[in-house]
Amino acid sequence: SQQGEEDPQALSIQEGENATMNCSYKTSINNLQWYRQNSGRGLVHLILIRSNEREKHSGRLRVTLDTSKKSSSLLITASRAADTASYFCATDGEYGNKLVFGAGTILRVKS
Amino acid sequence: ETGVTQTPRHLVMGMTNKKSLKCEQHLGHNAMYWYKQSAKKPLELMFVYNFKEQTENNSVPSRFSPECPNSSHLFLHLHTLQPEDSALYLCASSQVAGGGDTQYFGPGTRLTVL
Repeated sequence: SQQGEEDPQALSIQEGENATMNCSYKTSINNLQWYRQNSGRGLVHLILIRSNEREKHSGRLRVTLDTSKKSSSLLITASRAADTASYFCATDGEYGNKLVFGAGTILRVKS
Repeated sequence: ETGVTQTPRHLVMGMTNKKSLKCEQHLGHNAMYWYKQSAKKPLELMFVYNFKEQTENNSVPSRFSPECPNSSHLFLHLHTLQPEDSALYLCASSQVAGGGDTQYFGPGTRLTVL
């Protein structure tokens, strides 16, 4: 069953702009992870944020977590054409040790 | 590369065929996973192995049969598949089977069932 839901489903921006993707989930979690998938390839882990953390940075990525709203956001600053991919949030907690993935946001960065 | 390899990368099979997907991880991890990714659907967890023992079977039809001979190798044996089984099959590994662990994915096998 699906835990996280990303919003928007698709996003198209110009190179250099910032991209923000949101993830909402239904139950309490231990942590939330963001992954990226280039077309037809495997997923690549981007960042993990624990339930007791509110914000985390990694290079051009900034992730926030609001457990009271059961939501997270992924911000990619100064986007590049190479950032074009699908982005997924994944949560654990409700289903034991399983990671449950959302349906993803398709990001297209136009050069 | 993530340290997880999958073969073959593409597979076309008829409904009466028997084939196997192979996954190998070079990361020293103890947990391995099979996922199914269909178009416009969330990633579906199929099986989880932790220290070679199956710890999760997510109500997967018996026409999919996993095998984990050791912590580095994972197979998915396929037989009498249906066209709706066409999808990208992803293998992943993590240090142990826990949601808090980062999972490392292989590139996937694109399966087409005719």
